Amino acid sequence: DQQVKQNSPSLSVQEGRISILNCDYTNSMFDYFLWYKKYPAEGPTFLISISSIKDKNEDGRFTVFLNKSAKHLSLHIVPSQPGDSAVYFCAAYSGAGSYQLTFGKGTKLSVIP
Amino acid sequence: EAGVAQSPRYKIIEKRQSVAFWCNPISGHATLYWYQQILGQGPKLLIQFQNNGVVDDSQLPKDRFSAERLKGVDSTLKIQPAKLEDSAVYLCASSLGGFGETQYFGPGTRLLVL
Repeated sequence: DQQVKQNSPSLSVQEGRISILNCDYTNSMFDYFLWYKKYPAEGPTFLISISSIKDKNEDGRFTVFLNKSAKHLSLHIVPSQPGDSAVYFCAAYSGAGSYQLTFGKGTKLSVIP
Repeated sequence: EAGVAQSPRYKIIEKRQSVAFWCNPISGHATLYWYQQILGQGPKLLIQFQNNGVVDDSQLPKDRFSAERLKGVDSTLKIQPAKLEDSAVYLCASSLGGFGETQYFGPGTRLLVL
């Protein structure tokens, strides 16, 4: 039973355009969300996070939006660059005292020059 | 600041053999995690240490997997005996400690069981 779902295995975007990566979750106890980026043969790298008390967090070209009622979050990358090509993982912490981070399956983003 | 170190980077073994992976976390990080990432999946937590104590090992297949962090710094993860389905990337991560901390990952060890 997947608690964090990334339903798009892959996404292709033209350089300079917006990339939107989506993530849905089922566990209502999740209250802190993170996005990680992973290049081949490397470990995941932290990108941006958002707490459930917010609906938006911005860091440079990266913005994460959280819709708690829909149990949905999205990562926007504007403008997209070829170096953004990687696999993006959505992950969530439960607020029920657990330190366990639950990951989605990832979305492979390809930014075409 | 040095990142999370892991070795070896790659390992090929035959089923029923044993294998061990090593991880050195970022200096000062109290919490250490071992994840298994099967191809096409997200990382799945196997075990989590806070200093040298186990916080969560609920998803560790304890009949064949073991892990230790004796001095509260580096850690080893062992598989004995290995099965074909253990083929995966084993990721180590560390964090300062506490709920909601950002986890920093090492490059991983890619294991192939033949």
